[in-house]
Amino acid sequence: DAGVIQSPRHEVTEMGQEVTLRCKPISGHNSLFWYRQTMMRGLELLIYFNNNVPIDDSGMPEDRFSAKMPNASFSTLKIQPSEPRDSAVYFCASSFQYSYGYTFGSGTRLTVV
Amino acid sequence: QKEVEQNSGPLSVPEGAIASLNCTYSDRGSQSFFWYRQYSGKSPELIMFIYSNGDKEDGRFTAQLNKASQYVSLLIRDSQPSDSATYLCAVRPITGGGNKLTFGTGTQLKVEL
Repeated sequence: DAGVIQSPRHEVTEMGQEVTLRCKPISGHNSLFWYRQTMMRGLELLIYFNNNVPIDDSGMPEDRFSAKMPNASFSTLKIQPSEPRDSAVYFCASSFQYSYGYTFGSGTRLTVV
Repeated sequence: QKEVEQNSGPLSVPEGAIASLNCTYSDRGSQSFFWYRQYSGKSPELIMFIYSNGDKEDGRFTAQLNKASQYVSLLIRDSQPSDSATYLCAVRPITGGGNKLTFGTGTQLKVEL
């Protein structure tokens, strides 16, 4: 099992550019989560999907953020336009619904300059 | 009041001592509680979960839950330098339902030689 796979590992972009983060969950997991981690705010849930359907997007900061899960093996988180305050580590995690905790991917460190 | 609160630390303990990490939560109806360990620059990894009041032991780790006091703790016996990391408490709140976890901001543990 390769675990949760995220790409890219690092992304540096200029303010105003579009950024797309990608995630492949563990095969067979039917819940997928996008979190953002900063020193000040810790891990914040942005959005999560069950069976490819968005269940709770209340953590998405604003309309600049969007997430999709077109199938059970792929999800994207898009920021357009990006701003310096979006700089953070973005984690994707997956689990069986209602199971005992998540498995996290390695994260994408995003820097917006 | 934050949903999940932890002392940010750092908590310093000598090698071989017991490290005690604490967490309080605000949602009285919360059912499931998790401890994750996060090494610097890495993703969180699940080390323990607990559902019932009392203690749950797994090797050198013991999780303790007191739902009446809305308090969960993690004890690490015979602390080793390799235990130096940030420990994140996570709660599955009943409010809003679903499979999402709310994380505290973590406690940094330093085990000194």
